[in-house]
Formats: sequence, structure tokens, C-alpha cells
Amino acid sequence: DAKTTQPNSMESNEEEPVHLPCNHSTISGTDYIHWYRQLPSQGPEYVIHGLTSNVNNRMASLAIAEDRKSSTLILHRATLRDAAVYYCILSLQGAQKLVFGQGTRLTINP
Amino acid sequence: SAVISQKPSRDICQRGTSLTIQCQVDSQVTMMFWYRQQPGQSLTLIATANQGSEATYESGFVIDKFPISRPNLTFSTLTVSNMSPEDSSIYLCSVGLLHRAGNTIYFGEGSWLTVV
Repeated sequence: DAKTTQPNSMESNEEEPVHLPCNHSTISGTDYIHWYRQLPSQGPEYVIHGLTSNVNNRMASLAIAEDRKSSTLILHRATLRDAAVYYCILSLQGAQKLVFGQGTRLTINP
Repeated sequence: SAVISQKPSRDICQRGTSLTIQCQVDSQVTMMFWYRQQPGQSLTLIATANQGSEATYESGFVIDKFPISRPNLTFSTLTVSNMSPEDSSIYLCSVGLLHRAGNTIYFGEGSWLTVV
């Protein structure tokens, strides 16, 4: 599985946008970029995924670099409930098992 | 979406005993997975639970220590055998649902085991 690199931790303020980076320089043409987050004392939950084009949903936006070697998860207006560990994961289309890295621990300040 | 229920949600176990964790999904799914999350760590895949055949284990995990059953398409169990304090972890069940835009993976809330 191709590897991803994320900062160990980030901090932001409530109601401000948050940009969470992920590097995946060894990504293959068939790898999808997935983002999951794990809130305290909960199992991971799906946030968003994409292949080449930028993606938006009700939770977040995913901006994918043109060369696909990096991506950024964007939380447009952070709330205290967004404090979690965010995982960037590469996975083949159709694959159902995920290989987790260490993720980024996001702290939101009131 | 998929709703995944795990039992027990939390338990304190004696060293040397075994505990079976149950995972129930509200819809039929082809593949189910078991993960372990040790304190302060990320998730590690233990095995894929295959319906009608033996589970497929990842490197470092063996059937004798983590026997898995998958009697049907909505249910699986993971047993942690002969527990030691090093087995204190969160054990998570996971399933994938195929959509037109690809797969979405869903996780249970986890079973928090403490071995004393």
C-alpha cells in the first residue's frame, strides 16, 4: 500500500477554516484518497474521498493536487466537535480494508 | 449507510482468560474486518472475516490467538484468547458498502478491553 505522510498535530480556532495536508508522493493511478476521522472514544468515521478532481460534501472539501502527490482536507468552519484524529488513506477502488497511518490530531480552540 | 453494533462495548478481563466480541451489521455485507487499536496508537488490521471460509489474517496475527467466525453476511465474532495485559486495546469491527462513487467503510464503536 502506498504511504501517506501527515503532520502529527495541528491546532485551529473555532469558526475558522482548517486545512489538513497529506503527502502521498508514491500514489498510483488507481489509488483513491480517503479521509476518515476518529472522534474521542469512537470508531473512525468516513469524511470524504476522491480520485483526481476536488470533492465537496456536507462535512468537508477535498482538494487534490494536479500531480496527485498531495491533497488537503478543508473544514470550512471548524467547531469544537471537529476535534479528532484525521487519517488520510490511499485505497484501491473496490478495496474495503484500510491501512491507517498515525494521522493528524486536530485541536480546536474555543 | 451501515449501522454496526459491537458487544461488549467495554470489559475488564483476567489474564489468561478468553473473550469473544460480537459484531452485528444491519445489512448484508460481503466483507467484514477486525482491527485493533492499542492505547495511543493508530488502527491495525487483524484479519478479514470471510463468510463460509477461514478468516484471512494479516502479518503478526494468528488464528490460535484471534479466532474469528463469520456464520452469515451480517454477523461475525472475534475471540481474544489467553489474554495478557498487552492485549488491552480497542477492537473494532468494520464493513464496506459499495456505492456508485466507490466504497465507504463503516466502523463500529469498538470494544474496549482491559486485561488485568
